[in-house]
Amino acid sequence: GEDVEQSLFLSVREGDSSVINCTYTDSSSTYLYWYKQEPGAGLQLLTYIFSNMDMKQDQRLTVLLNKKDKHLSLRIADTQTGDSAIYFCAERNSGNTPLVFGKGTRLSVIA
Amino acid sequence: SAVISQKPSRDICQRGTSLTIQCQVDSQVTMMFWYRQQPGQSLTLIATANQGSEATYESGFVIDKFPISRPNLTFSTLTVSNMSPEDSSIYLCSATGPTGNEQFFGPGTRLTVL
Repeated sequence: GEDVEQSLFLSVREGDSSVINCTYTDSSSTYLYWYKQEPGAGLQLLTYIFSNMDMKQDQRLTVLLNKKDKHLSLRIADTQTGDSAIYFCAERNSGNTPLVFGKGTRLSVIA
Repeated sequence: SAVISQKPSRDICQRGTSLTIQCQVDSQVTMMFWYRQQPGQSLTLIATANQGSEATYESGFVIDKFPISRPNLTFSTLTVSNMSPEDSSIYLCSATGPTGNEQFFGPGTRLTVL
C-alpha cells in the first residue's frame, strides 16, 4: 500500500529557514499536502501541490516536488516561534480517495 | 474554504458507554470523513461518511463499533460504542472543499475512556 515517510523532529533558530522533508511511495499520487497541527488543535491545511507542478510558493512557504524521486519538501522562510508545531505530509491519487498521512515532523523553533 | 465544527470538544467517559460526536460544516460538501489520531501518532482514516447511505469503513474498523450517520450534505455523526481505554484518542471530522482538491479538518474531539 501507499506509504508516506517523514523525519520526526526538526529544530531551528528563530529567523532561519526550516526545511521539512517527505517521501512517498505511490507513483500515482496526484495531490500532495502539508498540514500544520498546533498543540491541542486540529489540522490546518497550509498548502497543496498537484503532481504536474514542481514548485509552489505562498508567502513564507515554498513547496518543492521531485516526482522522479517521490520527494516533497516544505520550506518555511524566516521561521518564527509561532511556527512551532507538528507538520504532516499527506498524499492521495485522486479527488475522491482518502488522504494517506505521514507520521508528522515536530518543528521546534528556538528563540 | 470549509469551516468545520465538532461537538463535544472533549469528554471523559466510562468504559462500556457510548459517545456520539457531531460534525457540522458551514457549506455543502461532497465528501466527509472521520479520522482517529491516537496519542502522539498520525491520523488513521476510520470511514468515509456517505450521504444517505452506509459509511465506507477502512480495514480494522466496523460499523458496530463506529456507527456513522450522514443525513445531509453538511452534517455527520460518529458514535464510539462500548468504549474501552484503547479508544482514547482524538477523533477528527474532515471534508473536502468545493473543488474537491482541498481537504479541511475540524478541531477534533479529545476522548478519554477510564
